[in-house]
Amino acid sequence: KQEVTQIPAALSVPEGENLVLNCSFTDSAIYNLQWFRQDPGKGLTSLLLIQSSQREQTSGRLNASLDKSSGRSTLYIAASQPGDSATYLCAVSTGTASKLTFGTGTRLQVTL
Amino acid sequence: NAGVTQTPKFRVLKTGQSMTLLCAQDMNHEYMYWYRQDPGMGLRLIHYSVGEGTTAKGEVPDGYNVSRLKKQNFLLGLESAAPSQTSVYFCASKGTYNEQFFGPGTRLTVL
Repeated sequence: KQEVTQIPAALSVPEGENLVLNCSFTDSAIYNLQWFRQDPGKGLTSLLLIQSSQREQTSGRLNASLDKSSGRSTLYIAASQPGDSATYLCAVSTGTASKLTFGTGTRLQVTL
Repeated sequence: NAGVTQTPKFRVLKTGQSMTLLCAQDMNHEYMYWYRQDPGMGLRLIHYSVGEGTTAKGEVPDGYNVSRLKKQNFLLGLESAAPSQTSVYFCASKGTYNEQFFGPGTRLTVL
């Protein structure tokens, strides 16, 4: 059974810092990995999707990497801003219907 | 495009009552999913559908039923609600490049 772990569970950084969120998964037979952002009481917003054949994806200040063989992904956020404060979720897609298995998230707070 | 929409946004039920959650997508996606989110447990897959007229069980299907009579709609039913079904329910659909798009969620409380 696929298991996804996100470390740390919570993180507080001052504005302007670069930071890394970690995601690990137990079964390397994945189709893709997706990073989401969730604001309190809201739905999930897709940030980046990395296909299993890719090593990384970038969108603005965000960069996500994937090392399938070691079962790891990182989400790098450059020059953090208070608006980046949210919970970040990692999910891996497996199986014939591309079902997602989620981690429990990293709650990020960026302080002024 | 509205994307993925969910109805209702909030609902309070008494134990034993029934209800249906509606998910609609206007992106012509084949695959649709229902997840529940509980504190400390992440999102878990309840049921999914790979096309109109098809449904399948996910990780936590007990106590729920689903139907996909039209391609754009995916309904989640609770026949006899229990307090353990208090949760936030999210619907999602899968696009061409396997990216999943989520609705805003339904917050359900069962007393």
